[in-house]
Amino acid sequence: DIQMTQSPSSLSASVGDRVTITCRASQSIVHYLNWYQQIPGKAPKLLIYTASNLQSGVPSRFSASGSGTDFTLTISSLQPEDFATYFCQQSYSLYTFGQGTKLEIK
Amino acid sequence: QVTLRESGPALVKPTQTLTLTCSFSGFALSTTGMCVSWIRQPPGKALEWLARIDWDDDKYYSTSLKTRLTISKDTSKNLVVLTMTNMDPVDTATYYCARGQSPTEPFDIWGQGTKVTVST
Repeated sequence: DIQMTQSPSSLSASVGDRVTITCRASQSIVHYLNWYQQIPGKAPKLLIYTASNLQSGVPSRFSASGSGTDFTLTISSLQPEDFATYFCQQSYSLYTFGQGTKLEIK
Repeated sequence: QVTLRESGPALVKPTQTLTLTCSFSGFALSTTGMCVSWIRQPPGKALEWLARIDWDDDKYYSTSLKTRLTISKDTSKNLVVLTMTNMDPVDTATYYCARGQSPTEPFDIWGQGTKVTVST
């Protein structure tokens, strides 16, 4: 099974900050990497698919890149509604999620 | 509008079998490429993929749970059912179903989740 390692596990930041979350796969997953945002008590919401494609309706302050084993999610200017937990997911060989990054207000 | 909704018991006893139903609308599971997966999330923990059923009735399971899981569909009723045998307190989690438009595509639409507690 493919393992996904996400870092950091938690992150404190302020409104307006730029933040980056990384995700590493245990083997190449080409570009089959997706990012989700989860607000407490809610289902995950798809943000980014196939490494760098913004899902419809997602603000352009979200961006992502990477290929092979290393991927990043960047939020260019944090807004209050962005404080949530973010998960990466590989869909190259069935599915595996990262352990999540909890983004908290500093 | 695509929607999915999970239903099932909120409480099960250890060793019992859990049966969850995913009712969906706005798409046809008979469409080539379409898939429905089950994912769970223990309180405060990460997401864990459990099982997937495809438009052609192919089924896939988590390596660690495959002996306990069965997934099935009723295309005419727009239902996907997951059973998990021999429930244990560590299986306490919120269980989600979600749609994928092909096996390698992300889960673009999720249900709201159903919370299952395993306890005597």
